[in-house]
Amino acid sequence: SAVISQKPSRDICQRGTSLTIQCQVDSQVTMMFWYRQQPGQSLTLIATANQGSEATYESGFVIDKFPISRPNLTFSTLTVSNMSPEDSSIYLCSVEESLPEVYNEQFFGPGTRLTVL
Amino acid sequence: KQEVTQIPAALSVPEGENLVLNCSFTDSAIYNLQWFRQDPGKGLTSLLLIQSSQREQTSGRLNASLDKSSGRSTLYIAASQPGDSATYLCAVGGNMLTFGGGTRLMVKP
Repeated sequence: SAVISQKPSRDICQRGTSLTIQCQVDSQVTMMFWYRQQPGQSLTLIATANQGSEATYESGFVIDKFPISRPNLTFSTLTVSNMSPEDSSIYLCSVEESLPEVYNEQFFGPGTRLTVL
Repeated sequence: KQEVTQIPAALSVPEGENLVLNCSFTDSAIYNLQWFRQDPGKGLTSLLLIQSSQREQTSGRLNASLDKSSGRSTLYIAASQPGDSATYLCAVGGNMLTFGGGTRLMVKP
């Protein structure tokens, strides 16, 4: 399975600032995803990041607030812009790994725990 | 819109017990179903993936079943250990996953 790393692992930020989270995969993957996990909640998909095209955002998430880059097949960034305390969450990236006769198993990075004061 | 529900939300059992976690989903048109484990403050570890054409998957002490027609999946954990304490999440879909709320499991020594 793919090995995924995220930077930073955690951060404490001031309201109104922005934070860029990096996701690095040890193999080339077509599709990468960004999820948010608010305190005590399950995971919600923010967007799908495809190399060579703009990210596809889910309902309730917009590019101005969560710009995403996908410069190559092993790397992506998610920026949380103009942060407020409501943005305090764990942000996770995941990748889809397609093996022969196996449909799209997803693997997750360790997450970035963000606290906004 | 797909909705995924996990019952119970929390479970506490003594070490050695066999236990079952439940997952239900509203739209049976799924590609697959994955069970994950999440330790506090950590990312997700994939436990089992069941393709839509399959009925069950096994890995060690874990067995997951899938009944698409009734919109249900179960995760069976045999001979539970304190190290199994974590939150267990099921997710349905294809390349976009819809997650349930999770079951927080505590196995007491």
